[in-house]
Amino acid sequence: GAGVSQTPSNKVTEKGKYVELRCDPISGHTALYWYRQSLGQGPEFLIYFQGTGAADDSGLPNDRFFAVRPEGSVSTLKIQRTERGDSAVYLCASSHGGQQETQYFGPGTRLLVL
Amino acid sequence: SQKIEQNSEALNIQEGKTATLTCNYTNYSPAYLQWYRQDPGRGPVFLLLIRENEKEKRKERLKVTFDTTLKQSLFHITASQPADSATYLCALGETGANNLFFGTGTRLTVIP
Repeated sequence: GAGVSQTPSNKVTEKGKYVELRCDPISGHTALYWYRQSLGQGPEFLIYFQGTGAADDSGLPNDRFFAVRPEGSVSTLKIQRTERGDSAVYLCASSHGGQQETQYFGPGTRLLVL
Repeated sequence: SQKIEQNSEALNIQEGKTATLTCNYTNYSPAYLQWYRQDPGRGPVFLLLIRENEKEKRKERLKVTFDTTLKQSLFHITASQPADSATYLCALGETGANNLFFGTGTRLTVIP
């Protein structure tokens, strides 16, 4: 079956602009995660959804970052007033929803803020 | 402060040898630990999970150990092949939390 997909694969924007990154999880997966990966680093947790609700958003760095998952499937990560430091690969993962479950990652969106 | 350290940024080994990668953690109480493989330009791919009450797990040429006293996991690839060349990430999961905490990764190169 299809894996996790993310669009766009690359996004270049200017400082101060607004961006939306989309994640399509594996069908039937109730849990969805967003991570951010900077060059040479491991993924850093941002937010976790169980169904439609954000079960844990403790990793969001500040209030410029927001994510939604209105129908419990597709999720959108929104970044307002982008800064150069937001440049990174944004990874989405999904799982069946229990703890200790394998997380299946998408290919990521490479965001570059000029 | 909390830290997850993987032994080295890069590790080069000869084809056919065993690669051993280390993951050490500080100020975490993981209920389980996972290892992922990441190729350039791609997302991480799950390899193995080991729980806090398990000492060792194996899958084909892969072996993982978990020592909660030493706060360390070792990841072994036996009979390594050039196709094993990738970055390997360890990730911790804590009780009651679904998110993972990742190390910085070790870039493994297997030389033919």
